[in-house]
Parts: sequence; structure tokens; C-alpha cells
Amino acid sequence: DGGITQSPKYLFRKEGQNVTLSCEQNLNHDAMYWYRQDPGQGLRLIYYSQIVNDFQKGDIAEGYSVSREKKESFPLTVTSAQKNPTAFYLCASSIDGSGTLYNEQFFGPGTRLTVL
Amino acid sequence: KQEVTQIPAALSVPEGENLVLNCSFTDSAIYNLQWFRQDPGKGLTSLLLIQSSQREQTSGRLNASLDKSSGRSTLYIAASQPGDSATYLCAVWNFQGAQKLVFGQGTRLTINP
Repeated sequence: DGGITQSPKYLFRKEGQNVTLSCEQNLNHDAMYWYRQDPGQGLRLIYYSQIVNDFQKGDIAEGYSVSREKKESFPLTVTSAQKNPTAFYLCASSIDGSGTLYNEQFFGPGTRLTVL
Repeated sequence: KQEVTQIPAALSVPEGENLVLNCSFTDSAIYNLQWFRQDPGKGLTSLLLIQSSQREQTSGRLNASLDKSSGRSTLYIAASQPGDSATYLCAVWNFQGAQKLVFGQGTRLTINP
């Protein structure tokens, strides 16, 4: 089955630690995205990548980093510089990132990160 | 700056009713509008995507309409069922500016048996 997988489902982080969230897709999509969801604030874009080896900051990139070395993978690292990382993190992908085509965005199941 | 609003924030109706969820956006220069469903603790499931040149899209008991000139979209759910209980989000892809979806905050729908 084609789709987007995220791991782990739950992640616990101690203060001062970096953690990496995994996102993999087998949809052959060029564009991938990371969102953060907090209660009462909706979805906010962290980073996005329209093609391998290229990515752009979204609205709330501070304290996060990404890489896009392979088309199917877009891992997100939450660094110790992120002051309030407890949230639900969602990865998504689309055929491309331009919005000019029939460009439906598909989401993974999410990772819930909790800072201890 | 594009802003997307969904009113009401929560809605509760008895099973079997037909219902309408609303989505409004401030900038009509959009490529498309997408409706999603989110169950508690889960990711988003895409329900319908309407391109800017389209007026509506249908999938089963769901029908979404788009009126770009007034900045509005509606999601019509026919013959609601308890399994339709979820949060429904709409999002628009801007024609100008940053290439991204802009989301509303969602409507939490409860269907009572």
C-alpha cells in the first residue's frame, strides 16, 4: 500500500536533548512537509522540501532542522533550541510543491512528542 | 496575508441529519481548497480537493462547494452517522506568496446516535 509512515508514534525527550522524527513516503511525491499541531492553534508549517537536497523554512522553523537526501525521506530534528517542543508533529507530501497542478496533500499518522 | 476561518468551532447533531460545515478565506487568489478529516490522535485524511476553476466536488455522502468570489466553501454531509464524528479542517493553497497550504482551525463534529 502506498502511503506515508512516521515513527515513532510517541517520543519522550529530556530537556537539552535533540531528537529526530522519521517520515517516509512511497508515493513517489516530490514535495514533503512538516507541520506542528497544538491545541487551539491549528497546523503550522515548520519546513518544506520541493525536491531532493533542497528545503525551505516555514512559519516556525526556529529550533528545528531537516534534511532531504532521498526523495522518499524527510526527517525532522527537534533541537534543544526549541523552547516548547511538546506537540503533535505531522508529515505530509504532495506530487509537487507548486500548487499549480491537481495537488492533493496527504498526511502521515503523526508523532506525539513530549518533553519530560 | 491569507486567513482561513471555520465557524462554528464545534457542532453536535443527531444521527441521520444532513449538515453543512463552513469555511471562509480572505484572499480569493487560490489554486485549490482541500477538506480534511482528523480523528483524535490521528493524522489528517484528505476528503476532497476542489481546484480554483471548479464549483464543487462529490465523494459518496460528501459534497464540497467553492465560491472564490465570496471567499467561501461548504462541506455538505448527507445522512450523518456516528462514524462521521471527527474534526473537519479546510485549507487553501495560495496563488501568490509562500507555496503552502493555509489551514483553518477546524470544526469538531459530534453525531449523536
